[in-house]
Formats: sequence, C-alpha cells, structure tokens
Amino acid sequence: AQSVTQPDIHITVSEGASLELRCNYSYGATPYLFWYVQSPGQGLQLLLKYFSGDTLVQGIKGFEAEFKRSQSSFNLRKPSVHWSDAAEYFCAVGFSGGYNKLIFGAGTRLAVHP
Amino acid sequence: DAGVIQSPRHEVTEMGQEVTLRCKPISGHDYLFWYRQTMMRGLELLIYFNNNVPIDDSGMPEDRFSAKMPNASFSTLKIQPSEPRDSAVYFCASSRDPPGNTIYFGEGSWLTVV
Repeated sequence: AQSVTQPDIHITVSEGASLELRCNYSYGATPYLFWYVQSPGQGLQLLLKYFSGDTLVQGIKGFEAEFKRSQSSFNLRKPSVHWSDAAEYFCAVGFSGGYNKLIFGAGTRLAVHP
Repeated sequence: DAGVIQSPRHEVTEMGQEVTLRCKPISGHDYLFWYRQTMMRGLELLIYFNNNVPIDDSGMPEDRFSAKMPNASFSTLKIQPSEPRDSAVYFCASSRDPPGNTIYFGEGSWLTVV
C-alpha cells in the first residue's frame, strides 16, 4: 500500500539556520509529490510540488525540495529559516492512473528560536 | 479569486446533536475533498467527489457521517448524532483534475463536541 513517512515529529532550529525536513514514500512508480504548510489555526497552503523533470523544485517562501528516486525521498529545505516559518509541514503524495486523492504524512512541527 | 470557503469556522455542540459543515469550492474545480485532522490520526481523507458524484467514501468513519454535493458550488458534511470523538478540524479542499493540479484547502471548521 502507498504510504508517506515524515520521520521527525518536531524540529527546532535557530533563526538563520538551515532547515531540512524529511519525507519518504512507498510506491512502485514515481508519484506526484507535494509539501504543504499549516500555520496555527489556518488551512494548508501549498509550498511546492514535483511531477516530473528537474528533481530540484523551487517553491514559495524560499523553500526548495529535491526528489531522489533511489531513496524514495522528497526532502524540503530552506537555507536560512525565519521566525515566521514556525508552522507544521506536511508531505503528501498523489498517484496517477485515476487515483485522484492525496495521502499525507503525519506532519513535522517546526519551532524557530530567535 | 475566492478560495475554498468553509462554514462554520468554529462550532461547539453537545453530544447527540446534529452537525452540518458546509463548503463552497473554488469555481471551476470539479473535485471536492473532505479531510479530518486530529492529533492522533493526522490528516485523513473522508470522502471525495468528482463532478458532484461521490467517488471514494472509504474514509468515512461510520454511518453517522454523511456527505452530499447537490451542485458544483456546494457540499455538506453531516454528523448525526455527534460524539466527543468527532472533535476535530474538518477541511474541505477542491481542485481541477488532481493530482496533476493543486488541491486547495479551506481554512477548516473546528468542531468540538462536548
């Protein structure tokens, strides 16, 4: 069965430090890959997505993610974190072939120290 | 463009009462999703519609839950009777043909059943 794993439940970084949030998926083919962010009390906002082509994708708010087929991973990165990045981050996968829904990981809550 | 609009944003109700959550998808989107978010289970897909027709309701927890989409611009999720374990944030989302197209989320309906 398809699944998405975000191994880190909580991450704390200092403002200005770099960030990497991990995401692994289980699926036999290349899925559609997404990162969403959820600020407290808000809905989910799409940060970036990967369907095909260049495996390094750029998103909003200075985020990027890299698809690594050999590792079944789609890790999210940001070179310098801002206090406003504190939120919960969700990795999600979608699959082609008429399977139209997204499966979400459990989320990683990011705290940013000043 | 208006995003996905959900109402009510917050509801507190007593156990046994009927709860109706409402959603207006983005105009032109032919897919509508209902998700539930809890601390214990994360984001779960309850049901999704395509062109107003329910496609997959395998995530609906039990018969107390029902969802309808009478037209392209309106959907409801009903819980009758409600129980304390139904307390969660319920998100509505919509898209054009996913997963190739972005799924946009509403801000959620925060339900507390006491």
